[in-house]
Amino acid sequence: ETGVTQTPRHLVMGMTNKKSLKCEQHLGHNAMYWYKQSAKKPLELMFVYSLEERVENNSVPSRFSPECPNSSHLFLHLHTLQPEDSALYLCASSQEGTGGYGYTFGSGTRLTVV
Amino acid sequence: QQPVQSPQAVILREGEDAVINCSSSKALYSVHWYRQKHGEAPVFLMILLKGGEQKGHEKISASFNEKKQQSSLYLTASQLSYSGTYFCGTVRTGGFKTIFGAGTRLFVKA
Repeated sequence: ETGVTQTPRHLVMGMTNKKSLKCEQHLGHNAMYWYKQSAKKPLELMFVYSLEERVENNSVPSRFSPECPNSSHLFLHLHTLQPEDSALYLCASSQEGTGGYGYTFGSGTRLTVV
Repeated sequence: QQPVQSPQAVILREGEDAVINCSSSKALYSVHWYRQKHGEAPVFLMILLKGGEQKGHEKISASFNEKKQQSSLYLTASQLSYSGTYFCGTVRTGGFKTIFGAGTRLFVKA
């Protein structure tokens, strides 16, 4: 596989459930990101990992917990979510520190909290 | 600080041109442009790294005015496939994270 792969594509969960989103990149990039995209809102940066270290936590509620076990994998663990957390969650990767490269996004996970 | 994009939406006939603007209140290191089609991931179009830089991608090009902290995306002789939402992403001078604008919806009709 090439590019950035996200699973699952769709997820419906209750407010008391625990689930995880997975992201995998096959590009050799050294930075990975989680973005939230809600209807009629801009892409909101949630977390940034650079060289497997979290370098940004953009005031995200603790019910979202990221994990980056290596430079190719990124997870977003979800627990006790709220209906307003329903959105498209996008993972992206890039090669930082080389003068500027764009992001490669995954296809996203469409999350619905019921 | 989120960059401001204008216009919010534009409707074109096939073959017409359009300009999408992106401006920031902060000094910028770089500007990215992306296109997102409905139900799909944003796709990287180009990045501009220094003032005055211009880049092209097929019939889509962009410029970056560092002094004005603005970038413009130019779509010439638009095609139906150009329809989608265009986002600019800005990286501040001394920063590392990309902040995205709210997007400009472009619809090209035959």
